[in-house]
Amino acid sequence: DAKTTQPPSMDCAEGRAANLPCNHSTISGNEYVYWYRQIHSQGPQYIIHGLKNNETNEMASLIITEDRKSSTLILPHATLRDTAVYYCIVRVERGSQGNLIFGKGTKLSVKP
Amino acid sequence: GAGVSQSPSNKVTEKGKDVELRCDPISGHTALYWYRQSLGQGLEFLIYFQGNSAPDKSGLPSDRFSAERTGGSVSTLTIQRTQQEDSAVYLCASSFTRDSNQPQHFGDGTRLSIL
Repeated sequence: DAKTTQPPSMDCAEGRAANLPCNHSTISGNEYVYWYRQIHSQGPQYIIHGLKNNETNEMASLIITEDRKSSTLILPHATLRDTAVYYCIVRVERGSQGNLIFGKGTKLSVKP
Repeated sequence: GAGVSQSPSNKVTEKGKDVELRCDPISGHTALYWYRQSLGQGLEFLIYFQGNSAPDKSGLPSDRFSAERTGGSVSTLTIQRTQQEDSAVYLCASSFTRDSNQPQHFGDGTRLSIL
């Protein structure tokens, strides 16, 4: 399985951009990079995903390096409500499952 | 729009009892997944349904666990003769198809506590 590496924790000041890194050096050419976050006592929330190109939606931007071995999730203006555990996942295209494999993620703390 | 709905949100039961957990996926989503998350742990895949195909049960931890999906929509996860190690948050997710470019959307889970 392609695996991901994320820092265990990060702090960010409210109103500033939060840049969350992820390494996925063994990613294969047809495997997507997904980002989810989980706020305490809630289910994981889908944020964004991408294959090769950078992506942007109303929640965040995803920057994928040209060699696809790493990516960065950007929350442009972090708020206190963005405090959560953020998971970077490589979606393995194998078998018939397509289930997500969550690692330990990055605990992002947004501070006033 | 309506997201994935799970019920009950919390369930406390005695060891040895059977429990049934319900998941209402997003309308039109053909793929449905059950996961569980134990305290401080990552998500553990349990079972997967895709349309009318036979489910992939490879993640079920024992034969006490079973799941159904009726009419390609609502799913129920049943745990028979519950044990204390079954205590966890049971999460359901659905996606439009199982293709890897289709995101899975999660409900808020059922928190199961076995006394």
